[in-house]
Amino acid sequence: GAVVSQHPSRVICKSGTSVKIECRSLDFQATTMFWYRQFPKQSLMLMATSNEGSKATYEQGVEKDKFLINHASLTLSTLTVTSAHPEDSSFYICSAGTSGGLNEQFFGPGTRLTVL
Amino acid sequence: DAKTTQPPSMDCAEGRAANLPCNHSTISGNEYVYWYRQIHSQGPQYIIHGLKNNETNEMASLIITEDRKSSTLILPHATLRDTAVYYCIVGGSGYALNFGKGTSLLVTP
Repeated sequence: GAVVSQHPSRVICKSGTSVKIECRSLDFQATTMFWYRQFPKQSLMLMATSNEGSKATYEQGVEKDKFLINHASLTLSTLTVTSAHPEDSSFYICSAGTSGGLNEQFFGPGTRLTVL
Repeated sequence: DAKTTQPPSMDCAEGRAANLPCNHSTISGNEYVYWYRQIHSQGPQYIIHGLKNNETNEMASLIITEDRKSSTLILPHATLRDTAVYYCIVGGSGYALNFGKGTSLLVTP
């Protein structure tokens, strides 16, 4: 299957700092990327949908000014957690899909964010 | 809310077939049935998907009932590495996936 990478895999930061997470589709062009987060012992929750070249669509309850998403190319989307706080500590996962051909989405390995 | 219902947990002996059921009685005509699994602290892994017909690939088989209201994922020869949470998801192509709680499958020696 197609490969999606995320960087970094793990990050620890101080409260108040910003953290950028990259999501790349390595062998296909992703017209749409999705960002999820997963708290311990819970399922994945969709945060936002990102289409290349347009603004992201955020799910209810997700602050767009706090979780900045940029999808500048067909192979890269970034999620920036601004002014991170301990409650933002979570497992952030991206997925990528295409508008045609592939019906399935492929997920990155996830980024473990710990805010001290 | 997720549009699927799965048992919270199942056990399977190594080498035996694991049959994971899923109910999706409100599935609409253009929605696919997707199966993913997640091993602890990793991103979900795509397994298989189908629309109406049964599907088989190198990982698993997907059996969809004729009325499409339920399906079964079959891992023909489960191994210890198949221990994971398995998610059955229904949705349209290109849309975000709505993860429910899934089934925690434990494969035992």
